[in-house]
Amino acid sequence: EAGVTQSPTHLIKTRGQQATLRCSPISGHTSVYWYQQALGLGLQFLLWYDEGEERNRGNFPPRFSGRQFPNYSSELNVNALELEDSALYLCASSLAGSVGELFFGEGSRLTVL
Amino acid sequence: GQQVMQIPQYQHVQEGEDFTTYCNSSTTLSNIQWYKQRPGGHPVFLIQLVKSGEVKKQKRLTFQFGEAKKNSSLHITATQTTDVGTYFCARLIQGAQKLVFGQGTRLTINP
Repeated sequence: EAGVTQSPTHLIKTRGQQATLRCSPISGHTSVYWYQQALGLGLQFLLWYDEGEERNRGNFPPRFSGRQFPNYSSELNVNALELEDSALYLCASSLAGSVGELFFGEGSRLTVL
Repeated sequence: GQQVMQIPQYQHVQEGEDFTTYCNSSTTLSNIQWYKQRPGGHPVFLIQLVKSGEVKKQKRLTFQFGEAKKNSSLHITATQTTDVGTYFCARLIQGAQKLVFGQGTRLTINP
C-alpha cells in the first residue's frame, strides 16, 4: 500500500513568488493535515482538511492557503513568499475526521532566496 | 495553554546507556502521542496513550502517561545507534481535532 506522497521534494523560490505543494493521502484516508517544520524546530500546525472542507487552521497568515480535491489529495499554496517561509512542509493523513495515528509524507523542502 | 513542553531539548549518550525524554502540560491531556523522526526523515508514529497511569512497552521503549494526565515520558533502555533521531510528543486538542507537537528531544549516540 502506498504511503502519503508529496511533491515536489525540493522547491527553490525567491521572495514575493508563490509556491504550490501537493499531497496525496493514503488510500481510504479523507483527512489531510499540513505542518511546517523550520530547520531544527518542531512541527507547527498549518491546516486540516477533511471531506473537501477546511476544518481548522493554525496561527499562520492568510497567504498560507490550500484546498482538498474530491479525490482527497490536497495542495498548499504560499503566496508572497518571505525568507522565513523556508522550511520542510509535511503533509499527513488519517482516517476520516479522527486524529489517531498520523501518517506523514517525506515532506517538501521549500527554500526562499 | 495548548502547548506541551519537552525536555531535554538535546541528549547525547554513549551506546548502551539509557535515555529518557519528558513531555509536560499545564492542562489535562486527553491523550498523548509519540513520534520519532530520523535525521532527514519524516515523523513516524510510535504510540498513543489514553488512560491515566498507562504504561506501554515496545521492546526497549517504555511509554508512560502520568496519573494526572499532565505529563508523559519515553524511556529507551540500552540505546542503539538506530535510536538516533528526534522524539516528539503530541497532544490532541479536542474539538479542534489538531495535534500540537512538542519541540522534540534530539537524541545523538556515541557508538
